[in-house]
Amino acid sequence: SQTIHQWPATLVQPVGSPLSLECTVEGTSNPNLYWYRQAAGRGLQLLFYSVGIGQISSEVPQNLSASRPQDRQFILSSKKLLLSDSGFYLCACRGLWEGYGYTFGSGTRLTVV
Amino acid sequence: AQSVTQLDSQVPVFEEAPVELRCNYSSSVSVYLFWYVQYPNQGLQLLLKYLSGSTLVKGINGFEAEFNKSQTSFHLRKPSVHISDTAEYFCAVSGSNDYKLSFGAGTTVTVRA
Repeated sequence: SQTIHQWPATLVQPVGSPLSLECTVEGTSNPNLYWYRQAAGRGLQLLFYSVGIGQISSEVPQNLSASRPQDRQFILSSKKLLLSDSGFYLCACRGLWEGYGYTFGSGTRLTVV
Repeated sequence: AQSVTQLDSQVPVFEEAPVELRCNYSSSVSVYLFWYVQYPNQGLQLLLKYLSGSTLVKGINGFEAEFNKSQTSFHLRKPSVHISDTAEYFCAVSGSNDYKLSFGAGTTVTVRA
């Protein structure tokens, strides 16, 4: 089965600082990968998804970017964080043999101060 | 595009009582439906999914859900809850040929002794 590793688990960053969150996947190849954000008291918002190396689709215009330098690596970045970037960030992977369901990582709690 | 509405944002329930979480979806194509559970500061875990076939789907931890195409619903039920079922629950939908899951806003279930 697929396993997603996400780090760090928690992060406190000042406004204007850069961000890099990493997600790696084990147990599958050529997966579809996703970044979601969960703001306090709100649902999950899809930020980016990728169907292959170097292929990134952005769902919401914002202060963030994503990259996929390797098949099983997905990175979420920002050059300058805003207060509104605070939230819980989740990486997810879709495997074909899961019947199109997703496997989620354990998440990163980002607080921008 | 698909969308999901979870009709209850918070559901308080006593231990050993039944619980039902309501989910309605909209879509112009065939859909796959999912329920996920999220414990505090963790990622999402798949409870159950409907892909095709029997409309009554059984999942982990004693949960089940029923797909009702005419009412475009996928309600989640458990006949007797435990304190450990306290969590947030998300309903999600994807089109049969879609890469992306759309999530509802979530329902917080609080089980009291």
